Parts: sequence; C-alpha cells; structure tokens
Amino acid sequence: AQSVTQLGSHVSVSEGALVLLRCNYSSSVPPYLFWYVQYPNQGLQLLLKYTTGATLVKGINGFEAEFKKSETSFHLTKPSAHMSDAAEYFCAVSGEGRRALTFGSGTRLQVQP
Amino acid sequence: AAGVIQSPRHLIKEKRETATLKCYPIPRHDTVYWYQQGPGQDPQFLISFYEKMQSDKGSIPDRFSAQQFSDYHSELNMSSLELGDSALYFCASSTGQGWETQYFGPGTRLLVL
Repeated sequence: AQSVTQLGSHVSVSEGALVLLRCNYSSSVPPYLFWYVQYPNQGLQLLLKYTTGATLVKGINGFEAEFKKSETSFHLTKPSAHMSDAAEYFCAVSGEGRRALTFGSGTRLQVQP
Repeated sequence: AAGVIQSPRHLIKEKRETATLKCYPIPRHDTVYWYQQGPGQDPQFLISFYEKMQSDKGSIPDRFSAQQFSDYHSELNMSSLELGDSALYFCASSTGQGWETQYFGPGTRLLVL
C-alpha cells in the first residue's frame, strides 16, 4: 500500500528565508504526488502536483517541488517565505490503481517576522 | 470560478443521532470523493463515486453510507453517531477516471455531543 511520510510536524522559518518541507513516499508503482495547503478552518488547496514528465514542478505562490525517484522524495521548497505562507501543508500520493489520495500527517509552517 | 459546495458548514448532533452531509461538485465534474479529517489528523479517504457508481472504498464505517445522484451531487449519511465521528468532512470533485486534480470543498465540521 502507498504511504507518505512528512518529516517534521512543525517548521519555523523567518520571513524571507528558504522554506523546505520534506516528503518521502512509498509506492510499488510510479506515483502521482501532490502538495496541498490548508489555512485555518478552510479546505485543502492544491499547490502543485507531479504526474509524469518534468521532475521539477512549479506551483502557485512561488512554491516548487522536485520528484526524486532514487530518494523516493518530493520535497516542497520556496526561496523566500512570506507571512501569508503560514499554514498546514500536506503531501499526498495516489496510484496503484487508486485515485483517492493518501495524505501524510502534515507539516505546520510558522513564519516569524 | 465555481467551487465545490458543501452543506451544512457546521453541524452539531447528539450521540446515536443521524446526519446527512451534502456535496455539490464543480460543474461537469463527475467524480466525487469523501474524506474525514479528525482533530489534528490528516484527511482519511472514506469513499468515492464516478458517474453515480461507487468507484472506491476506504475506511468508511458500516454506519455510514453515501450515494451520488443523477445531478452528480453526493450525500454522506451517517447513523448512530459516536463521539469519535466529530471531525471535518471534506468532499472533493474531479473529472473522469484519470489522474486529474481533486478540488476540495470547504468542509463540513461535525460535532457529536
């Protein structure tokens, strides 16, 4: 069965600093990988996704992620954090014949002024 | 752009009562997914429908049932509610049977007292 591991339940960065949120996956077939963001009391918004093709994926709000098959990773990065980036971030995987998403446990990003 | 609509947004029930949550997908989306997010937890897949037929089943309790109607809206029926059913219930919609993005609604927050 597929699974996702997000390293670090809480990450704190200073405004303007690099954001790095880690995600490792387990899948017996080429996975489809997603990053979603959740603001307090709101639904999940897609940041970016990897299905096939280019391994460096650019998303909304300046975020990007790189699919590294050899490391089974799909880390999310942003060069310069903004206060509005403070939220919960979920990495998710689908595949193995299942389109439903399997989520990681989430990483809460804090941005310090 | 039209988004996924969920109603009600908030619901308070007593133990052993029943609840019905509704989901209206984005126009022309024919696939609906239901997820449950407990407090401080990641979303867990419950069930999905494609063209009004159940397409996949996750960790949905036997006390819950769901269906998708001819207009593609979906309802999640929950009976014999337990305290542990208190959670945020998300509906997501997408098109077809491919790996298209799932668009999430704002969720229904259910509190069981």
